[in-house]
Amino acid sequence: LAKTTQPISMDSYEGQEVNITCSHNNIATNDYITWYQQFPSQGPRFIIQGYKTKVTNEVASLFIPADRKSSTLSLPRVSLSDTAVYYCLVGDRGSGGYNKLIFGAGTRLAVHP
Amino acid sequence: EAGVTQFPSHSVIEKGQTVTLRCDPISGHDNLYWYRRVMGKEIKFLLHFVKESKQDESGMPNNRFLAERTGGTYSTLKVQPAELEDSGVYFCASSHAASGGSEAFFGQGTRLTVV
Repeated sequence: LAKTTQPISMDSYEGQEVNITCSHNNIATNDYITWYQQFPSQGPRFIIQGYKTKVTNEVASLFIPADRKSSTLSLPRVSLSDTAVYYCLVGDRGSGGYNKLIFGAGTRLAVHP
Repeated sequence: EAGVTQFPSHSVIEKGQTVTLRCDPISGHDNLYWYRRVMGKEIKFLLHFVKESKQDESGMPNNRFLAERTGGTYSTLKVQPAELEDSGVYFCASSHAASGGSEAFFGQGTRLTVV
């Protein structure tokens, strides 16, 4: 099973760019890299997903180097509402080829005024 | 479009009682997953349905847990009899594709407290 490692916590200030890096040395060829965000008392929420190089959407960017052994989630100009736990996940296809999510401890991001 | 809904949002029961959690996935999503987070631990996979069939129940802790998805629509997760260590937040998620690149939509979770 692909395992991920990411910082336990990070602090930032409003308006700054935040980069959270995740290591996944054992990523398999068919695995995707997915990031989820979770606020207290809510379920995780999909942010972004990628396979290689760079992916950008209205919320974040995801940078994946050629060896795919790591990835970096970039949040531009964070606000107080971005305070949450961010999970880096690598898709475990299992025997049926489905996306069984393996959650780690996540990174607790605190954005300060 | 409605998201994944879970009922109840909270449940407090005594040890030895039975509790049934319900999940309504997003309409049209064939894949339905159950996860849970017990206090201080990480979110753990419990099982996965494709329509009404169990594809993977490798994460189910023991035979006190029974999940069903009759007709391939909503799902229930029954805990009988409940034990103290079953306390935690139970999340349901659904997705519409079985590929490794599909996005899973999570419900708000059911917070179960066994006293």
